[in-house]
Amino acid sequence: AQTVTQSQPEMSVQEAETVTLSCTYDTSESDYYLFWYKQPPSRQMILVIRQEAYKQQNATENRFSVNFQKAAKSFSLKISDSQLGDAAMYFCAYRSARPRSRGQFYFGTGTSLTVIP
Amino acid sequence: NAGVMQNPRHLVRRRGQEARLRCSPMKGHSHVYWYRQLPEEGLKFMVYLQKENIIDESGMPKERFSAEFPKEGPSILRIQQVVRGDSAAYFCASSPQGVSFNEQFFGPGTRLTVL
Repeated sequence: AQTVTQSQPEMSVQEAETVTLSCTYDTSESDYYLFWYKQPPSRQMILVIRQEAYKQQNATENRFSVNFQKAAKSFSLKISDSQLGDAAMYFCAYRSARPRSRGQFYFGTGTSLTVIP
Repeated sequence: NAGVMQNPRHLVRRRGQEARLRCSPMKGHSHVYWYRQLPEEGLKFMVYLQKENIIDESGMPKERFSAEFPKEGPSILRIQQVVRGDSAAYFCASSPQGVSFNEQFFGPGTRLTVL
């Protein structure tokens, strides 16, 4: 089974600064998707950014970007110009793209991000 | 276009009672996934359903848990004879297709507390 590891239970960043959240995963598959989800205190899961494994170019969504290193099985999230509203739990997730897979997500244990005013 | 709906948002049960959690997928979505989030942990897959079919229940506990997604109406996750260890947030996610669609849309979750 695929495993997703987030080794930073907690991180903090000064408002307007940049922070990087780490994620590694273990898989024998070559075709898959990777995601970062944000879970604020409301507990709603909000998609932040996604990456298709076959794409070499790192995904970017406004202030959010990823560093996808397929060979190293690493998928870190960089948040630039951090804002108070970025404070939340961040989950890294893996999803197989194999036709025979069930398509469920495998989540890491999360990183709690605090933004300091 | 309403998002994924889950109800109730909060559910309190005493040990031994039954818990029934409902999920209405987004309009046009026929694939539903249930996940459980224990305190301080990430979401863990429980079951994957299509209309009237259970596709994969490999993440479901063998006893007391069941799920359905009838032709009409919401998907139901049912927990019989709840125990304190069942206290968790239960999330439902839906997609219009299975694997070929790379995103799932999550509901707000149901927080189950077992006294």
